[in-house]
Amino acid sequence: ETGVTQTPRHLVMGMTNKKSLKCEQHLGHNAMYWYKQSAKKPLELMFVYNFKEQTENNSVPSRFSPECPNSSHLFLHLHTLQPEDSALYLCASSPAVAGGHVDTQYFGPGTRLTVL
Amino acid sequence: GQNIDQPTEMTATEGAIVQINCTYQTSGFNGLFWYQQHAGEAPTFLSYNVLDGLEEKGRFSSFLSRSKGYSYLLLKELQMKDSASYLCAVMDSNYQLIWGAGTKLIIKP
Repeated sequence: ETGVTQTPRHLVMGMTNKKSLKCEQHLGHNAMYWYKQSAKKPLELMFVYNFKEQTENNSVPSRFSPECPNSSHLFLHLHTLQPEDSALYLCASSPAVAGGHVDTQYFGPGTRLTVL
Repeated sequence: GQNIDQPTEMTATEGAIVQINCTYQTSGFNGLFWYQQHAGEAPTFLSYNVLDGLEEKGRFSSFLSRSKGYSYLLLKELQMKDSASYLCAVMDSNYQLIWGAGTKLIIKP
């Protein structure tokens, strides 16, 4: 148990569906992250939020839309996805994203997404 | 470009020792992390190295050579529960983590 929870753990959706992934951290952290993990590939950073403000968007297609209502919760809204978007989506948190400071990231168990 | 290389898969025997290597080329260096990820579970933090040398933590040790752009994770007295993927990640000059693709470690009895 890392203190970061994600729901749902598994999701199957069609290309025309709209769904949302939820992440919650109970660590009192101020930074939250979305990553995509595909088989045999490095983790791909998608979005970073620091004190509820988005600080990174690594050229992610607009069919992925993040939302961070507070420092403990992070959502990833999905719509009109493609089969190649099938992957494990991991959420992580860290104390803060700050220049000159290294923080360890703590991960949730991920949502296994399958797009049909 | 930035690059992290680690072997795709390794096999070792229960009770033995295994060394998982990681080489990196990044824009700046603010430390190297190792994470363990069991199938279907969250990656969990194992170690962080920012200075050259060996850091020991129980059965696991991590080594760093900044001049060679090289690190390894050493696992001793292997147990079946050590079967997992081991992820190497480097924090670059922008304090962003650059990840390797992970090494799947298979432990045989």
